[in-house]
Amino acid sequence: DVKVTQSSRYLVKRTGEKVFLECVQDMDHENMFWYRQDPGLGLRLIYFSYDVKMKEKGDIPEGYSVSREKKERFSLILESASTNQTSMYLCASSLLDPGLYGYTFGSGTRLTVV
Amino acid sequence: RKEVEQDPGPFNVPEGATVAFNCTYSNSASQSFFWYRQDCRKEPKLLMSVYSSGNEDGRFTAQLNRASQYISLLIRDSKLSDSATYLCVVNSNTGGFKTIFGAGTRLFVKA
Repeated sequence: DVKVTQSSRYLVKRTGEKVFLECVQDMDHENMFWYRQDPGLGLRLIYFSYDVKMKEKGDIPEGYSVSREKKERFSLILESASTNQTSMYLCASSLLDPGLYGYTFGSGTRLTVV
Repeated sequence: RKEVEQDPGPFNVPEGATVAFNCTYSNSASQSFFWYRQDCRKEPKLLMSVYSSGNEDGRFTAQLNRASQYISLLIRDSKLSDSATYLCVVNSNTGGFKTIFGAGTRLFVKA
């Protein structure tokens, strides 16, 4: 089975801190994604990457950046954390087109910004 | 109007009941559809794809109605372990690939 591993299950950070969320997948998938999930809103796409060093903005990229230096690793960076970035963050990967094969998600990082 | 809409529920049903959820979508050019299951405080997991011809996997049946722009999920003989949130996912490729997740429908199955 494909495994997507997120480095932290729970994080508490202070407003203004720079925050790094790490994600690693072990099945050589080309595509990787970062979503956030908030009650009543569903999952919203922050950034995605379809190759090493490539990145594309999703629907809500403001306040975030990403890094993909290796195929298996996709990092989400909150440049200066704010309370409205308190959320559940989900990393996902997909084999080729996720419209055909769906996504495999990591177990999520619940981030609280105080 | 949201691009993908689900009744948030919760649906409270007894064990053994049959329950159905619908999910409506606004983009008539949507191409592929999925149902995901999400347990409390866990990640979403792919449950099944949805095809025009319908798709059945054990007690679960997914249907697509393109004319009315909705997909459905039917669960027969509900088990306690079916308690979860069910997310519908709609994919389109107009103006670039796009995935929209519904906010989910919560199901509680009671003994």
